[in-house]
Amino acid sequence: EVQLVESGGGLVQPGRSLKLSCLASGFTFSNYGMNWIRQAPGKGLEWVASISSSSSYIYYADTVKGRFTISRDNAKNTLYLQMTSLRSEDTALYYCARLNWRYFDYWGQGVMVTVSS
Amino acid sequence: DVVMTQTPVSLSVSLGGQVSISCRSSQSLVHNNGNTYLSWYLQKPGQSPQLLIYKVSNRFSGISDRFSGSGSGTDFTLKISRVEPDDLGVYYCGQGTQYLMYTFGAGTKLELK
Repeated sequence: EVQLVESGGGLVQPGRSLKLSCLASGFTFSNYGMNWIRQAPGKGLEWVASISSSSSYIYYADTVKGRFTISRDNAKNTLYLQMTSLRSEDTALYYCARLNWRYFDYWGQGVMVTVSS
Repeated sequence: DVVMTQTPVSLSVSLGGQVSISCRSSQSLVHNNGNTYLSWYLQKPGQSPQLLIYKVSNRFSGISDRFSGSGSGTDFTLKISRVEPDDLGVYYCGQGTQYLMYTFGAGTKLELK
């Protein structure tokens, strides 16, 4: 059974940093591209960042480019999102999701990030 | 970016009824390779989104045949027949044709009448 379990969320002040993790199991992690997708409270889905299976290709939404860094450790089956210079508009539920060709076939349960003073 | 527009914003249905949700993209979702990367997701209350349909009309593993997707180019439809209580939630369309600029519609909330 494919499982994606996010962790690392919490309350953080504007301008500070936070690192999210997503532990994968039930599939060969190193064979799949992975993504972070977020959902602001009461809002829709926003793709945040994508990383290819071997970390060769990394892309970001314009809203987070230069502030967020996606990475992965295939030996640990773990996906990361380092978030810096956080803003109130980054407040959201952050999901990690497996990319299968051009769609997201499995999603984690999400981890909440709240940016507030 | 490709803008995805869903209609209606919300929908009321009786159990056992049938509904359709529309999704329109701001540009054609036909990829150079001939595939159309339009997918549908359902987010049940308090849960993460789950994949229902990929490449316009292919049901994901374990998805009931009561769900069907159709369309081409820029216009797509998700139909749900014989609606059950477990079908309630917010439906999102999403595109993967514009590589690494994935976008989603704003969602359609399906409620009981």
